[in-house]
Order: sequence, then structure tokens, then C-alpha cells
Amino acid sequence: NAGVTQTPKFRVLKTGQSMTLLCAQDMNHEYMYWYRQDPGMGLRLIHYSVGEGTTAKGEVPDGYNVSRLKKQNFLLGLESAAPSQTSVYFCASSSTGPGQPQHFGDGTRLSIL
Amino acid sequence: RKEVEQDPGPFNVPEGATVAFNCTYSNSASQSFFWYRQDCRKEPKLLMSVYSSGNEDGRFTAQLNRASQYISLLIRDSKLSDSATYLCVVNMISGGYNKLIFGAGTRLAVHP
Repeated sequence: NAGVTQTPKFRVLKTGQSMTLLCAQDMNHEYMYWYRQDPGMGLRLIHYSVGEGTTAKGEVPDGYNVSRLKKQNFLLGLESAAPSQTSVYFCASSSTGPGQPQHFGDGTRLSIL
Repeated sequence: RKEVEQDPGPFNVPEGATVAFNCTYSNSASQSFFWYRQDCRKEPKLLMSVYSSGNEDGRFTAQLNRASQYISLLIRDSKLSDSATYLCVVNMISGGYNKLIFGAGTRLAVHP
């Protein structure tokens, strides 16, 4: 029973490098989300998607891009990594709207040197 | 003012104790409320939804006070396994879209 799977689990990047985080869900959920979690702060929404082929900006979208080419996958890209993007990234999904409970992946710990 | 505020704790309690967490939210139009649990270095997991009439799930009781914009979580007969961070989560329509706002969490440590 996989639920929401994130890859990779850990990554260290140098400033200026790019990378893509992958999120896959097997629950046939329409909505998917990318959050970041920093010490002392609540999870903050980066981007979200209300269905295949659609994406929208969240609270802190700058420096990130996303794509939802397939319903089950939601990719988060860092074009030119910066130390301020050091964080734990969580992907989540929900069957209906954002006001409903969300199911989370186990996170990606990203360090930018 | 933060949209969702919680006492960060930590709350250090002995096994068997009763502990209560509070949370306040800023948007009076919010409709959905949740408590999530997050273990150290793990993902958040839904603990329970919070309904207007209050609801209970075993040792856990959640209450909502819309007039005061306040949510609470009561844990009775604390177990060592209850040690975690508890996140208060509220839905809001902000910036033109509906979203969940997560509090920074209240840390609970239950000791023998």
C-alpha cells in the first residue's frame, strides 16, 4: 500500500545546480501539492495541481517550477538552487479539494551548499 | 499575526497524564479544521478532523469554538507513543485560492 511516494529521500546540491523531485501517488487523487517545512514554521504551500495538466502557484512559488503530465505524478523542479531552498519538502495528495485531509509522502531532505 | 498559532511547547508530561493543546486561527470564514500528528523526521499524518459539535476518538477529543476562532485537542491517559508534534490545520481562502494552513506545531514529550 504505497500511498504517496517521494524520490529522492535526501539530496545535497551546490548553489546554482538544478534538480527535480518526484512525487507519485497510487490513490487516483485529483489534487496534489508540494510543501516545504522549515524549523519553527508550519508547512508552506509551494505549488499545487487540481488535475492532470494543471498547476497553480501557492504561497512560496519563487524559484520552483512544477509539472503534472500524468495524474499520478507531480514533479517539483529547482532551476538554480539557492541556500534559502534548504528545507524538507513534502508532497501530498487529496481526493477532493484542498479543504479536505491530505495524504503526505515521507519527505525529501534537501541541502543546498 | 500568524494565520494559525500554536504554543510550540514542549509539553513534558508523565505517562497517564491528561494534556491539552490550543490553537487559534485568524480567518473567521474557515470551514475545515484538523489535527495532524508528526513524528520526528517523518511526514504529517491526519490524527482527526474537528467538527463543530466536538468529536472524540478514543483518548483524543477535539473541540472547535468558532466564536473565539479557537481549536483544542485533549489527550487523556498519555502514552509514551503519543510523543510527537501536533499540528493544527485550518482551511482558508487566501490569495484567491482555497488552501490548508498549517500551524508550526506543539511538541509533546511523554516520559515514564
